[in-house]
Amino acid sequence: KAGVTQTPRYLIKTRGQQVTLSCSPISGHRSVSWYQQTPGQGLQFLFEYFSETQRNKGNFPGRFSGRQFSNSRSEMNVSTLELGDSALYLCASSQTTGANTEAFFGQGTRLTVV
Amino acid sequence: GNSVTQMEGPVTLSEEAFLTINCTYTATGYPSLFWYVQYPGEGLQLLLKATKADDKGSNKGFEATYRKETTSFHLEKGSVQVSDSAVYFCALSTATGNQFYFGTGTSLTVIP
Repeated sequence: KAGVTQTPRYLIKTRGQQVTLSCSPISGHRSVSWYQQTPGQGLQFLFEYFSETQRNKGNFPGRFSGRQFSNSRSEMNVSTLELGDSALYLCASSQTTGANTEAFFGQGTRLTVV
Repeated sequence: GNSVTQMEGPVTLSEEAFLTINCTYTATGYPSLFWYVQYPGEGLQLLLKATKADDKGSNKGFEATYRKETTSFHLEKGSVQVSDSAVYFCALSTATGNQFYFGTGTSLTVIP
């Protein structure tokens, strides 16, 4: 069974540009969550989608947005990039929802903003 | 609110030494607790989990017990190997959805 696939693995963008990251969850998983990982802030929750609906959102500015398609694949978009957006962005997929649900993480997309 | 506090690293141990990484949590409701491990250049992998008080999660020689009275979920291993070198994250999840709250991570290096 294929794991969570994130593309691309690495990105370099210029300040002010926008970027779209993609995540393909494990087959059959309907929940996709996104996290930002930085050395200073650690792992921070961005948002979660379940059956194409955003159910939870973390404390990030509106420049960060996402969506989920009918096949459960998800994208996140960051507009007007800032240097501080440089981070590893991790996607996690889960089969169901609730506190007991295990999340499976992708390898991440390393975004560098210059 | 929900939060996880994890012991600061880095931790350096000799092979076959005993490992403890402390983790305490604050949560509303009844969370599930997890330990994830991250190897260099990789995403997070689930190491073990416990879903209710007094549960013990175990995997690959690692163990952690959900202690509600001390709000703790300390990770232990009796004899570490070089291949255990990685960053370990303690996390909790609540019933409100698939949102994890992570600790800051503890870097472990095991030397031969």
